[in-house]
Amino acid sequence: DAGVTQSPTHLIKTRGQHVTLRCSPISGHKSVSWYQQVLGQGPQFIFQYYEKEERGRGNFPDRFSARQFPNYSSELNVNALLLGDSALYLCASSPNPVYSNQPQHFGDGTRLSIL
Amino acid sequence: AQSVAQPEDQVNVAEGNPLTVKCTYSVSGNPYLFWYVQYPNRGLQFLLKYITGDNLVKGSYGFEAEFNKSQTSFHLKKPSALVSDSALYFCAVRGGRNAGNMLTFGGGTRLMVKP
Repeated sequence: DAGVTQSPTHLIKTRGQHVTLRCSPISGHKSVSWYQQVLGQGPQFIFQYYEKEERGRGNFPDRFSARQFPNYSSELNVNALLLGDSALYLCASSPNPVYSNQPQHFGDGTRLSIL
Repeated sequence: AQSVAQPEDQVNVAEGNPLTVKCTYSVSGNPYLFWYVQYPNRGLQFLLKYITGDNLVKGSYGFEAEFNKSQTSFHLKKPSALVSDSALYFCAVRGGRNAGNMLTFGGGTRLMVKP
């Protein structure tokens, strides 16, 4: 079975632009979470979606938004890009967030570089 | 608020020797604890988890972790290190029941195994 897939793998943008990152969860997984991993740091939680509804949000500005589609895939949107948004953006999926003992499974991420 | 500390930025061991990667956590309620490994230019790969039960948890690739409630620690261990174990290791915590899926990660520990 395919794991979590993310696209694109790499992206270069300039300050002020916007970006859309995409994620397809493992088949059968209905929950998707997004994390930002700045170089040299651990991942930071951005959003969690389940059944197309936002179920959690981390400490990120309103420039960050996301949505989940009926097929459970998800998009992360970032507007007005800043240099500090340069990071690896990770998507993780799990069957159901209510059952907190289930591990999240991560994709290989999208490397976003802001010039 | 929950938090995770990984006190060592890097751990160096010789191949064949035992290894320990340290992790301490802070969370209200019973913790759900996880270890992930990250290879260069890849996402996070799940190694093992502690939810309840035995304090010694066995995971993938010969890794195990010891949960110590009184010391709020969850150290990762392996009896005999391999060069291929060299990677970045992350400890993560999720709050207890009904805490949703949000993972809080430590800053990571780079494991270097030398031949």
